[in-house]
Amino acid sequence: SQQGEEDPQALSIQEGENATMNCSYKTSINNLQWYRQNSGRGLVHLILIRSNEREKHSGRLRVTLDTSKKSSSLLITASRAADTASYFCAFREGAQKLVFGQGTRLTINP
Amino acid sequence: SAVISQKPSRDICQRGTSLTIQCQVDSQVTMMFWYRQQPGQSLTLIATANQGSEATYESGFVIDKFPISRPNLTFSTLTVSNMSPEDSSIYLCSVPRTGGVGETQYFGPGTRLLVL
Repeated sequence: SQQGEEDPQALSIQEGENATMNCSYKTSINNLQWYRQNSGRGLVHLILIRSNEREKHSGRLRVTLDTSKKSSSLLITASRAADTASYFCAFREGAQKLVFGQGTRLTINP
Repeated sequence: SAVISQKPSRDICQRGTSLTIQCQVDSQVTMMFWYRQQPGQSLTLIATANQGSEATYESGFVIDKFPISRPNLTFSTLTVSNMSPEDSSIYLCSVPRTGGVGETQYFGPGTRLLVL
């Protein structure tokens, strides 16, 4: 069993700036997902990108996937204080098991 | 979307005791997942609970320590037995969005457990 690796572990930026976090994995995947967790609460699904996609947008979120490098990035544009949270990438290991990355703690400073 | 509730939302327990966490989903689901999130860490899958069968535990987790019940398609419980301070974590239940492979998951709000 493996976890995805994320970097940076922590990121602090000013409101309005863009935030980029990266995820790397080692196995073959069908898709990669990103989740947000506010203050140690439940996770909320943000976006899913399939292995045959290279880039996907959802509002202020932009996700890229490079299957040759086994890596993905999540970009949050024009950050807001409400974006302060932990962000996790996740992918399937085997048929059902969803494996999470180590997470990036994002702090948006007003 | 599925709405998941968990009880209790938090608890402080003494070592050696047990705590049962409840997870209620507002729709019928075949699979339910239980995760542990240790302080400042990522989520680790404890077990998968299917209705009508024994739960499937991940490596490092055993039924004696984390017994799970799944009496129907909307409810499950996870018991943390004979607790020690190392069990202090957030415990989350989760269900697949559609039950299909590769689909996303919904998560409950979590149960924050502190063991003294």
